[in-house]
This record gives sequence, C-alpha cells and structure tokens, in this order.
Amino acid sequence: GQQLNQSPQSMFIQEGEDVSMNCTSSSIFNTWLWYKQDPGEGPVLLIALYKAGELTSNGRLTAQFGITRKDSFLNISASIPSDVGIYFCAGLVGNMLTFGGGTRLMVKP
Amino acid sequence: DTGVSQDPRHKITKRGQNVTFRCDPISEHNRLYWYRQTLGQGPEFLTYFQNEAQLEKSRLLSDRFSAERPKGSFSTLEIQRTEQGDSAMYLCASSLSWGRETQYFGPGTRLLVL
Repeated sequence: GQQLNQSPQSMFIQEGEDVSMNCTSSSIFNTWLWYKQDPGEGPVLLIALYKAGELTSNGRLTAQFGITRKDSFLNISASIPSDVGIYFCAGLVGNMLTFGGGTRLMVKP
Repeated sequence: DTGVSQDPRHKITKRGQNVTFRCDPISEHNRLYWYRQTLGQGPEFLTYFQNEAQLEKSRLLSDRFSAERPKGSFSTLEIQRTEQGDSAMYLCASSLSWGRETQYFGPGTRLLVL
C-alpha cells in the first residue's frame, strides 16, 4: 500500500530556531495536509495544499506541495514553546488519508 | 463548539466485552471517517461514510468491527469481543464531499483493553 516517509522522526531545538520537516512518497497525492497532535488529543489541521507547486503560509508556518506531487515540506519559523507536539503529514487520494509516521518536536526555552 | 465531537473520550474494558463509540461530525459535513491510531504511529484509515452509505472499508476492519451512520448524521463504531490488540485511539473525522475535501478530526476515544 501507499506509504509516507516523514523525517526527521524527532527534533530538539532551541526556542527561536527555525524548523523544517518533510514527507516523501512513492505515490502521487492530490492533496497534502499537515496536522499537529498534542498528547491525548486528535490531530488539528495546520495547512492544506491542493495543487502541485503550491506554497501556503499560516502565521509562522509555511508548507509546499512538491511539483512531482510525491512530497511536501513544512517549515516553522521562530519556534516557541507551544510548538511542542507531533506533526503529521497526510496525503489524500480518493477519499482516504495516508499519514506519515510523525515528527516529534521538542522546544527548549 | 461546532467541531467534531466523540464520546466517550476514554474507555477501559475487559477482553471479550463489546464497546461502542459515537462520533458527531461538523453539522454540514456529509462525509465521516474512522481512523485508528496506535502509540507512536500515524492514524490509519478504517472506513468512511457518505451520508448514510458506508462506501469503503479497510482490511484493518475485521469482522468484529462494525460502523453505522443510520441517518447520515452521527456515527457509531462497535467492537465486539474486544482483544488486547484493539487498544488504540479511535479517531473520527468529517469533510464535505464537494470542493476541497479537507478532513477535520475529533478529539478521539482512547480504548484500553485489559
């Protein structure tokens, strides 16, 4: 089946640093979504990307839909302590979301 | 709050018992999805409904699992004869079937089977 490879698996950074994470796949997706999940909660949508090459920002977050439709990245600028959590990429084809394994972000004040 | 809601948030049960979870989607959303998430992994698709019709089921959905959405609004997910391997977070999401089909998730039901 389809698989999304998300990297890095975890990051431990200093407050104020920029963060970058990405997802790659052997399959093409029509939509890429980025979610953040806090412990014991459901994923919260951060950014949705609908077109190859699309670059979208949401505050300090920026994400891009790769030209090949097989990859996406998420950047967080000037990280703050509340950015801590697990970030998931997800690709949509048909009606099913396929999730990456997540990037656990830890921010040191 | 007009987001996706799930009930209960936590459930502890003994092996062999049946459990039922409920999901209320965002009111204007006609598509509803169930996912399962185990510790340290991303969510995995189980099944989805468009209105009251169940249109797709994953191979993960064994015969002990059944989902319904009788009136095209809320949905229930039942697990019969629970096993320890069923312990996971069960997530519900909803979306519209036209335009941009972005899925919005509920808070999840965490199941622990003893």
